[in-house]
Amino acid sequence: KQEVTQIPAALSVPEGENLVLNCSFTDSAIYNLQWFRQDPGKGLTSLLLIQSSQREQTSGRLNASLDKSSGRSTLYIAASQPGDSATYLCAVADRGSTLGRLYFGRGTQLTVWP
Amino acid sequence: DVKVTQSSRYLVKRTGEKVFLECVQDMDHENMFWYRQDPGLGLRLIYFSYDVKMKEKGDIPEGYSVSREKKERFSLILESASTNQTSMYLCASSFVAGHDEQYFGPGTRLTVT
Repeated sequence: KQEVTQIPAALSVPEGENLVLNCSFTDSAIYNLQWFRQDPGKGLTSLLLIQSSQREQTSGRLNASLDKSSGRSTLYIAASQPGDSATYLCAVADRGSTLGRLYFGRGTQLTVWP
Repeated sequence: DVKVTQSSRYLVKRTGEKVFLECVQDMDHENMFWYRQDPGLGLRLIYFSYDVKMKEKGDIPEGYSVSREKKERFSLILESASTNQTSMYLCASSFVAGHDEQYFGPGTRLTVT
């Protein structure tokens, strides 16, 4: 069964820092990897989707990379802002599971202080 | 923009009641999902559906059932609510399972007393 781990569990940084969130998964047979953002008490917002054949995706200040063979992904946030404070989750669509269902990590809780 | 809506943001029910949580998506997505999210346990898949009237069990289906009579609507049913079903419930949908993004609704915070 696919297992997804996110490190660190929590991160607190001053505004303006560049930061990296890490995600690892145990089975490299995936369709894609997706990064989400979740604000307290809210649903998940999709940030980036990387297909298994891709190495990275960018959206604004966010850049996500994927190394499928080593089972790792990183989410890079440039010039962090207080509005980036949220929990960030990664999920992989597993090829070995019914219909490529998603497996989620527990998330990294990010706080960016002014 | 894809929109996934859930019938209630907050719900309080009594033990033993039958509870219906409803999810509607407006993008003609084939696949719909129900998750629950609990502190320390993350998101866990309850049920999913890949077509009208089709359903598959996820990791924790016990105590739940689902209904999908129309493509845009996926209902989660708690047959007899219990206190251990107090949780945040999240619905999601996607077009092609395993290949496309999953889009999430705002969530329903259910409290069973």
